[in-house]
This record gives sequence, C-alpha cells and structure tokens, in this order.
Amino acid sequence: DTAVSQTPKYLVTQMGNDKSIKCEQNLGHDTMYWYKQDSKKFLKIMFSYNNKELIINETVPNRFSPKSPDKAHLNLHINSLELGDSAVYFCASSQEGGSRAFFGQGTRLTVV
Amino acid sequence: KNEVEQSPQNLTAQEGEFITINCSYSVGISALHWLQQHPGGGIVSLFMLSSGKKKHGRLIATINIQEKHSSLHITASHPRDSAVYICAPLIIQGAQKLVFGQGTRLTINP
Repeated sequence: DTAVSQTPKYLVTQMGNDKSIKCEQNLGHDTMYWYKQDSKKFLKIMFSYNNKELIINETVPNRFSPKSPDKAHLNLHINSLELGDSAVYFCASSQEGGSRAFFGQGTRLTVV
Repeated sequence: KNEVEQSPQNLTAQEGEFITINCSYSVGISALHWLQQHPGGGIVSLFMLSSGKKKHGRLIATINIQEKHSSLHITASHPRDSAVYICAPLIIQGAQKLVFGQGTRLTINP
C-alpha cells in the first residue's frame, strides 16, 4: 500500500483555471505538508497542517488554499492559475516530534 | 545567506568510490533529514537523525548538532546511487518545519 499518495500525477491546464491536487496518507501521521519544487529543483515548504489545523503558511499567494477534511487528507486548491505556478508539488507527512518524513510521488503541474 | 548549505553541488565519481556529501546549517534544529530524489522525480527519505550516526546498508549519516553540520556517506558507490541528495534540517517553530538545502547531484559512472 502506498504510504502517501497524490493525485493526479500530471496536470496540464490553462491559465485562469481552478484546479485541485489531492493527498492522502495511510500512516496515521498527524502532520502533513505541501512543498513546491521549482524549475531549478529547489524545494520550498508551502503549508503545514497538524491535526487538521494550519500551522505553517509560508509566503504563498492566497490563490493557494489547503484544505484538510481529516488528519489523513490534505488537498491543495489553486485558483486562477498562472504560468508561474508550473512546478512539481509534493505532499508529505510525518509524526509530530520529529520522525522520518514520507513523500508522495509528486504532481507535475503545467500551466499553459 | 541560505539557512542550509550543501557541498558539493555536483559530484561525479567512479563506481566503488567512497562518497561524502556535506550539509551545514545556521539555525537551531531538532533533527535533520537526508532525502534522495531519483531522476524520475520521486523523493525518498533516507534518514532522520538528531545525534550521532545512523547506518542503512551502504549509507551512513552523521550529525554534529553543536557544530551544525551533517554528512552523508555512501560506501562502495554504484550507478544506481545516482540521484540528487537533499539535506533538510527540521526546525521547531511552534510545529516542525523542514528547510532544504539546494541538493547535491551525484553521478556514479560504471
């Protein structure tokens, strides 16, 4: 069973559209994250949720809205997509207190 | 100055060589992850360590919290070790937060 699963794996969409990326973890972790990896392959944290509560919200446009319906899910909704949003988005989870993080396979978003 | 500095940025070696990747950080941390990103893009967490040394197969990770430094070693390197290795210290600011080094691109030639 996949520990952290993201869908879709690839997403191509036009500017101005609204899209969502889903993330689910079956590890029982209480903390989930969204990361963005830009074209230079540099990873940056976007959001962190602990027990369904937003903990970290880095400097991210408010077009990006994370939604956590329960501890096992952290979805990323993006409104009014822009060309600069093209990147690979990774979801991850870990247990609070410091433990090995588990990553999803990534979602490659291309905005055209 | 970046919070996390990795060196080298690129490393090419021959199969069998001993590999060392270094990570220095400037912030207080509770632990540090070493991540491996394969050419296909998937990310795997190799280690999470907060002190001393951990070993898994041919991989060894060490950390010195006082000196704010960690190293990842690969013994008897193999072409399948070719990947980007990323150092990611875990900062505690209310809740845990990972920051990332820029990655080290490792290429092992047969």
